[in-house]
Amino acid sequence: QSALTQPASVSGSPGQSITISCTGTSGDIGAYNYLSWYQQHPGKAPKLMIYEVTNRPSGVSDRFSGSKSANTASLTISGLQPDDEAAYYCSSYTGVTTLFGGGTKLTVL
Amino acid sequence: QVQLVQSGAEVKKPGSSVKVSCRASGDTFKYHVITWVRQAPGQGLEWMGGIIPVLGTPNYGQKFQGRVTITADEFTDTAYMELSTLRSEDTAVYYCARESRHAVGASDIWGQGTMVTVSS
Repeated sequence: QSALTQPASVSGSPGQSITISCTGTSGDIGAYNYLSWYQQHPGKAPKLMIYEVTNRPSGVSDRFSGSKSANTASLTISGLQPDDEAAYYCSSYTGVTTLFGGGTKLTVL
Repeated sequence: QVQLVQSGAEVKKPGSSVKVSCRASGDTFKYHVITWVRQAPGQGLEWMGGIIPVLGTPNYGQKFQGRVTITADEFTDTAYMELSTLRSEDTAVYYCARESRHAVGASDIWGQGTMVTVSS
């Protein structure tokens, strides 16, 4: 199974909104709503930001939101803040295995 | 507050094996899926496999089938990942993570990572 496809980088200015896409197939993203997003700062472990496409764990800012259409999921971050600068990874559970996207580096200008 | 504490950094020769441990403190993890994810330097996350300790049957990523063994001891709340026939491309940080019981396929607790360096 191939990794999910994410843009290598996105950027935005403080206060703006950005969206990161994650494209899979009808066998993974398209088949299941078990789509998660992780934030990873350099040298740190990943942090769960979104689970099951749209849900935020307790403590995660409501500036982070998720959605899905067919085989593509999206993470939107509104009101960008400097600390949002990090790598973001999507992940799709396929019933037996888990696929990760290649990661997107978010730069806050 | 549950934490996952992993074993320390390892330096291994090509062709050898490495075994990394992951111990839960603050809560039992035997009913959770425990997954192993690795990250090569400057690269993305790669799912290796997972196990539910109370059941004991692991699932492995296709890429690692035949080379990885994931086990767990429900009585000591410790999971293990052993990777054999190491090569330089296996140099990476290896993470264990606990999937939430309320969020399928989503890991809400991560270990601190274990750096494994494969070098002759």
